[in-house]
Amino acid sequence: DTGVSQNPRHKITKRGQNVTFRCDPISEHNRLYWYRQTLGQGPEFLTYFQNEAQLEKSRLLSDRFSAERPKGSFSTLEIQRTEQGDSAMYLCASSFPSGETQYFGPGTRLLVL
Amino acid sequence: DAKTTQPNSMESNEEEPVHLPCNHSTISGTDYIHWYRQLPSQGPEYVIHGLTSNVNNRMASLAIAEDRKSSTLILHRATLRDAAVYYCILDETAYNFNKFYFGSGTKLNVKP
Repeated sequence: DTGVSQNPRHKITKRGQNVTFRCDPISEHNRLYWYRQTLGQGPEFLTYFQNEAQLEKSRLLSDRFSAERPKGSFSTLEIQRTEQGDSAMYLCASSFPSGETQYFGPGTRLLVL
Repeated sequence: DAKTTQPNSMESNEEEPVHLPCNHSTISGTDYIHWYRQLPSQGPEYVIHGLTSNVNNRMASLAIAEDRKSSTLILHRATLRDAAVYYCILDETAYNFNKFYFGSGTKLNVKP
């Protein structure tokens, strides 16, 4: 059973650097979601893909953030010019077209120094 | 404002039932209620979900108030492996996708 995988699991970077995270969803799932989770809080929705189309973006997703899902398979989330406030856990989830249950990956923990 | 409110923490004894409450007074008629749990350094794991009627599965039961403004997750016999943060989530189905709104979660401690 290959669930949702995310790489890297941990990333430490210096302020101002660019970082990119990868998410591989469950293969039959056409829906893919990105969330951000800060310490002690629940995850917050960032963006949603249906196949390769990015159909919804949260106001949390500033212009320094960009997400892609080429060919409707894996997805990448890039943060440009990182800031200390970007330090968080970035979670990816995927679901079937019916969509009610989302399956989460283990997350990528980002620390910006 | 948060769409769901939960107690910050609760404690239970092993082998006893646990009732985790959640308020969601702004819920609309088509919003599903989900519960997920999260262990440290892991992603959230699905527990149960429902719309109007009470729901049971092998992990837990979900009791939904008649006015749908609150719900309760019931773990029938808590084990040490049930210690986790439990999130009550409103699922707004909009534009043909399910948008999850997580609460701040209840940290459940289970005492042996």
